[in-house]
Amino acid sequence: AQSVTQLGSHVSVSEGALVLLRCNYSSSVPPYLFWYVQYPNQGLQLLLKYTSAATLVKGINGFEAEFKKSETSFHLTKPSAHMSDAAEYFCAVALGASGSARQLTFGSGTQLTVLP
Amino acid sequence: GAVVSQHPSWVICKSGTSVKIECRSLDFQATTMFWYRQFPKQSLMLMATSNEGSKATYEQGVEKDKFLINHASLTLSTLTVTSAHPEDSSFYICSARDGGTQYFGPGTRLLVL
Repeated sequence: AQSVTQLGSHVSVSEGALVLLRCNYSSSVPPYLFWYVQYPNQGLQLLLKYTSAATLVKGINGFEAEFKKSETSFHLTKPSAHMSDAAEYFCAVALGASGSARQLTFGSGTQLTVLP
Repeated sequence: GAVVSQHPSWVICKSGTSVKIECRSLDFQATTMFWYRQFPKQSLMLMATSNEGSKATYEQGVEKDKFLINHASLTLSTLTVTSAHPEDSSFYICSARDGGTQYFGPGTRLLVL
């Protein structure tokens, strides 16, 4: 079984400040981990993914995440927030051997607000 | 990057009618597509896994006769909401798997009156 916990349903930061969105996972086998962003009334856009290669993963729009097995965490960070970063962010975990369906289990989401 | 489209982007229908939503992978072939449902301010709920050339696999609690899924080609999956009722109103999102990553469509907002 797999699960994802996103701590903090709402996070507010000032423009230019550090963004930190927390994600912890539970998995019985090595997971694949993803961060997606969703803007209002739109689908999900892939920010970055961890697939058992480098533990520090860089994504689009200046975001990055670090896989920490000992802490079962995959927190999303960005050094300096922009107004355009305001959106809903979802952490997701996938299991399964190569070629399997790789179903995603999503966290509950974190709404990021960027204050001017 | 991989692009997934959905059509229509929004639809309003009367109770009792059926609605078909299309999901297409535009620049890659997808043997597996997924259908999700999202309620306001909530996360995505997986409804079913659509496999090209075979029957879809439905999650527990999802009525397969209510939500008909057809994956007739490597780039197209359709979700038909049959005899829609107001409680079926929701945001429906599809995704297509390319390798180990799912790429999502823009979603379809369904409102049943």
